[in-house]
Amino acid sequence: AQSVAQPEDQVNVAEGNPLTVKCTYSVSGNPYLFWYVQYPNRGLQFLLKYITGDNLVKGSYGFEAEFNKSQTSFHLKKPSALVSDSALYFCAVSVHNNAGNMLTFGGGTRLMVKP
Amino acid sequence: DGGITQSPKYLFRKEGQNVTLSCEQNLNHDAMYWYRQDPGQGLRLIYYSQIVNDFQKGDIAEGYSVSREKKESFPLTVTSAQKNPTAFYLCASSLGQLSNQPQHFGDGTRLSIL
Repeated sequence: AQSVAQPEDQVNVAEGNPLTVKCTYSVSGNPYLFWYVQYPNRGLQFLLKYITGDNLVKGSYGFEAEFNKSQTSFHLKKPSALVSDSALYFCAVSVHNNAGNMLTFGGGTRLMVKP
Repeated sequence: DGGITQSPKYLFRKEGQNVTLSCEQNLNHDAMYWYRQDPGQGLRLIYYSQIVNDFQKGDIAEGYSVSREKKESFPLTVTSAQKNPTAFYLCASSLGQLSNQPQHFGDGTRLSIL
């Protein structure tokens, strides 16, 4: 069975500082990895995905994520945080199989960016 | 604009009542999904459908039912058998069965008990 762990319930950063939101995963086979962001009372918005190829993936709103196969991690990063980045972030994983596009989500990390 | 529309935004259920949450998409996606979100627990899959007239149970299907009579519509019924229905319900869709396609989400329905 596949699983995703987001070890931090909350991450606090100052505006302008770099941010990292951590994600580790466990799957059998090659993973497809995703990051989503959720603002209050809204659905999830897709930020970026890793399928194959370059380990550094660039996504929306200046976010990027680094895939590390040996550490089974897919941490979300941004060089300079904005107050408007404050939201709930979810990491998710799927694998290629006949069951279809089935995502397993982590528990979410709340990012708080302070002015 | 293409997207997923969930209605209503807020819903209240009385004891013993069934309620139906609507989900409509105009993205021409084959696959659709229903998730339940509780605080601190992330998203849990209730039901999914990969094609019209077919659907499968997810991890927490007990007390819920769905139908998929049209490609664009995937309504979820929360039955009286679901004893703890208070949650945020999210509908999603994706292009197909390919696991490398992102899922697109609606803005959710918040269900509460009266």
